[in-house]
Amino acid sequence: DTEVTQTPKHLVMGMTNKKSLKCEQHMGHRAMYWYKQKAKKPPELMFVYSYEKLSINESVPSRFSPECPNSSLLNLHLHALQPEDSALYLCASSQEARGSTDTQYFGPGTRLTVL
Amino acid sequence: QKEVEQNSGPLSVPEGAIASLNCTYSDRGSQSFFWYRQYSGKSPELIMFIYSNGDKEDGRFTAQLNKASQYVSLLIRDSQPSDSATYLCAVNGFSNTDKLIFGTGTRLQVFP
Repeated sequence: DTEVTQTPKHLVMGMTNKKSLKCEQHMGHRAMYWYKQKAKKPPELMFVYSYEKLSINESVPSRFSPECPNSSLLNLHLHALQPEDSALYLCASSQEARGSTDTQYFGPGTRLTVL
Repeated sequence: QKEVEQNSGPLSVPEGAIASLNCTYSDRGSQSFFWYRQYSGKSPELIMFIYSNGDKEDGRFTAQLNKASQYVSLLIRDSQPSDSATYLCAVNGFSNTDKLIFGTGTRLQVFP
């Protein structure tokens, strides 16, 4: 089973709203990722959690706040977003097997629209 | 600056033909190479990974890696209209703290 789930599938929010994106995997993976993808562009890495600790933050604005409550869950808290933040937000996970091929599996994504 | 380059396409092939998708990368230390397929509006789906020089086959798909030339390709045999999608090449380094670097993707169109 290589399933990563994400909720919600679609989200429309105003610039003053607070919302959260959720991601879950039950593959025993110890690395989880948030990506942002704009139309016709490749995914852009935002955050990486390794063993539930934030290991990479790609200089993402503070209006995006990640959280990893446990090894299976990853959240992305959104606050005071801008219209240019509208995009497909992808969660991925990988085994985090050091020194070997580490394959990332993507969830279906959340389509976010900021009005 | 680690880079992965792909021709954006579209690459148009007739149904039943072989589609050849190419990718070059700049970091000689790269160890793992991945091909993802992405349908419009959907998330990337892993097609294959390869980390040894040579060919790796899985059904209609063959990945080819040449580390000396820093080149990885994906061949799709007997192309079907359902193969029409964007194919993303991604490259990872030896350390698993390295990021997965994506190419910009090649759009493949298979026409009946």
